[in-house]
Amino acid sequence: GENVEQHPSTLSVQEGDSAVIKCTYSDSASNYFPWYKQELGKRPQLIIDIRSNVGEKKDQRIAVTLNKTAKHFSLHITETQPEDSAVYFCAATPREGSYIPTFGRGTSLIVHP
Amino acid sequence: EAQVTQNPRYLITVTGKKLTVTCSQNMNHEYMSWYRQDPGLGLRQIYYSMNVEVTDKGDVPEGYKVSRKEKRNFPLILESPSPNQTSLYFCASGLSYEQYFGPGTRLTVT
Repeated sequence: GENVEQHPSTLSVQEGDSAVIKCTYSDSASNYFPWYKQELGKRPQLIIDIRSNVGEKKDQRIAVTLNKTAKHFSLHITETQPEDSAVYFCAATPREGSYIPTFGRGTSLIVHP
Repeated sequence: EAQVTQNPRYLITVTGKKLTVTCSQNMNHEYMSWYRQDPGLGLRQIYYSMNVEVTDKGDVPEGYKVSRKEKRNFPLILESPSPNQTSLYFCASGLSYEQYFGPGTRLTVT
């Protein structure tokens, strides 16, 4: 089955800095890579996703890149703000028609004012 | 309002006492699943269902049961809870790739 590794487990930055979270996956058939944000005490919510036919996707201050050859994808947050502090999960979804994601273990991002 | 609901939100119980956590969605989603979240281990899938009467094991199914008799409901059953099932549980539903999570159920088994 799919295996997703996520690094780092904790990331501490100063407000205004950039943050990068990296994930690798094992199943070359995976074709959809979402990122979820979980604020303290709340449910995970989708913030951005990328499909295997795209190398990069941006949405305001967040962007995701995908390297299918190397089987890794990354989340980039620019100009971080204290409200970006949360746990971020990456996931990989293999096989067309199977919406069964495998999640990474999460990255706790702390943005210091 | 489109949503996924779970009940109860908090539960403290004793070893061996059967319990059910309910999950309901009003978005007509075919896909539903259950996850447990533990510190340092992320979200691990317990069971999932692709449609009514179709369920399958996830990564950590031991000690859990599910049923999908109606499209909107996907209850999680712990027949004989043990302390190692103390965790935060999330139900999720989706029509395709994007998943919508419920608010979570914090379960403590003593």
